Amino acid sequence: GESVGLHLPTLSVQEGDNSIINCAYSNSASDYFIWYKQESGKGPQFIIDIRSNMDKRQGQRVTVLLNKTVKHLSLQIAATQPGDSAVYFCAETTSGTYKYIFGTGTRLKVLA
Amino acid sequence: NAGVTQTPKFQVLKTGQSMTLQCAQDMNHNSMYWYRQDPGMGLRLIYYSASEGTTDKGEVPNGYNVSRLNKREFSLRLESAAPSQTSVYFCALGSATNTGELFFGEGSRLTVL
Repeated sequence: GESVGLHLPTLSVQEGDNSIINCAYSNSASDYFIWYKQESGKGPQFIIDIRSNMDKRQGQRVTVLLNKTVKHLSLQIAATQPGDSAVYFCAETTSGTYKYIFGTGTRLKVLA
Repeated sequence: NAGVTQTPKFQVLKTGQSMTLQCAQDMNHNSMYWYRQDPGMGLRLIYYSASEGTTDKGEVPNGYNVSRLNKREFSLRLESAAPSQTSVYFCALGSATNTGELFFGEGSRLTVL
């Protein structure tokens, strides 16, 4: 399949374990943050988002944590499954603008 | 990604040739974007269109032109392709409120020889 990032940091986890993927964002004015999943040869797929007035948001098996003090975002995936293998990246934006800043991504490998 | 259709999915060009990447949506979103994705780099914005009839430059517009003739379609044109334009191109839609997630197409892989 196609590779979207040849030299990405890689996180390898055992199937069934929890995964934590981190992202440092750049703009202190950013007030909306998104996590995307990108499988090989496909377009980015929305996973979960969070606004700056929150510090935690939960979805199905995923949790996003936001620490505005240190401009840090994390994605936690519970009970990681083989289908979770992909590249994950964060995005940030400021309300009212059309500018999104994307991270370079982390490759998640799930070991059987 | 079903609401965003990109064509072609693959294309090989020779240096100096021209081509147009097409993006069509059926999600009735106002804003549309063109990004390029290169290994080791985050998605970079080429052009965007806040609404029908308007377009604006993004981070890396040089060598590209765009056209937003109607709400559904946003095309990206390379007038004289260069090897540096070898990349995967993604069309995306902005949410109705303009503060929300982007919805991406499946991508168009372009190789310029």
